[in-house]
Amino acid sequence: KAGVTQTPRYLIKTRGQQVTLSCSPISGHRSVSWYQQTPGQGLQFLFEYFSETQRNKGNFPGRFSGRQFSNSRSEMNVSTLELGDSALYLCASSFEGSTAQHFGDGTRLSIL
Amino acid sequence: AQSVTQPDIHITVSEGASLELRCNYSYGATPYLFWYVQSPGQGLQLLLKYFSGDTLVQGIKGFEAEFKRSQSSFNLRKPSVHWSDAAEYFCAVGDNNAGNMLTFGGGTRLMVKP
Repeated sequence: KAGVTQTPRYLIKTRGQQVTLSCSPISGHRSVSWYQQTPGQGLQFLFEYFSETQRNKGNFPGRFSGRQFSNSRSEMNVSTLELGDSALYLCASSFEGSTAQHFGDGTRLSIL
Repeated sequence: AQSVTQPDIHITVSEGASLELRCNYSYGATPYLFWYVQSPGQGLQLLLKYFSGDTLVQGIKGFEAEFKRSQSSFNLRKPSVHWSDAAEYFCAVGDNNAGNMLTFGGGTRLMVKP
C-alpha cells in the first residue's frame, strides 16, 4: 500500500513568488492535514481538509491557503513568499474518525 | 489552549541501555496522545498512541509509553536501545474536539553511542 506522497521533494523560490505543494494521501484516507516544520518554531499545524472542506485552521496568515479535491488529493499554496517561509512542509492523512495520522516525507522549501 | 513540553532537547545513551523520553502536556480533558519519530530527511512515523483505556501502551520497534494523568505526562520508554533508534522524537497531543489538529512538543534528539 503506497504511503503519503508529497511533490516536489525540494523547491527553491525567491521572495515575492508563490508556490504550490501537492499531497496524495493513502488510498481511502479522506482527511489531509498540513504542517510546517522549522528549526525555530518546530512543528506547527497549518490546516486540515476533509471531504473537500477546510475543517481546521492554524494560526498562519492568509498567504497560506489550501484545497482538497474529490479524490482527496490536497494542495497548499503560499503567496508572496517571505524568507521566513523556508521550511519543511509535511502532509499527513488519516481515515475518517481516526486521529492516527500518517505523514509523507515532506517538501523542503527554500526561499532565496 | 493545549501545549506539549519535551524537557530534554538532546539525549545520548549507549547502545543496549534503557531509554526514557519525557513528555508533559497541558489539556483540559482526556487527551489523545502520540509519539512520532523522525529520521533525517524524512517525515514522521507514528510509534504509538493513547486514546483511552490501559495507560500503558505498546508501540512499534519495541517502544512503550505510559499515560499518567496525575502528572500530565506521557513518557516514552525502550528497555534496550539500538543504534538505529538515533533520530528525533516528538510527542503530540490531539484535540478530540478539533478533528486531526495535533500540537507537537519541541522534540528530543536521541544519539546512540556504540
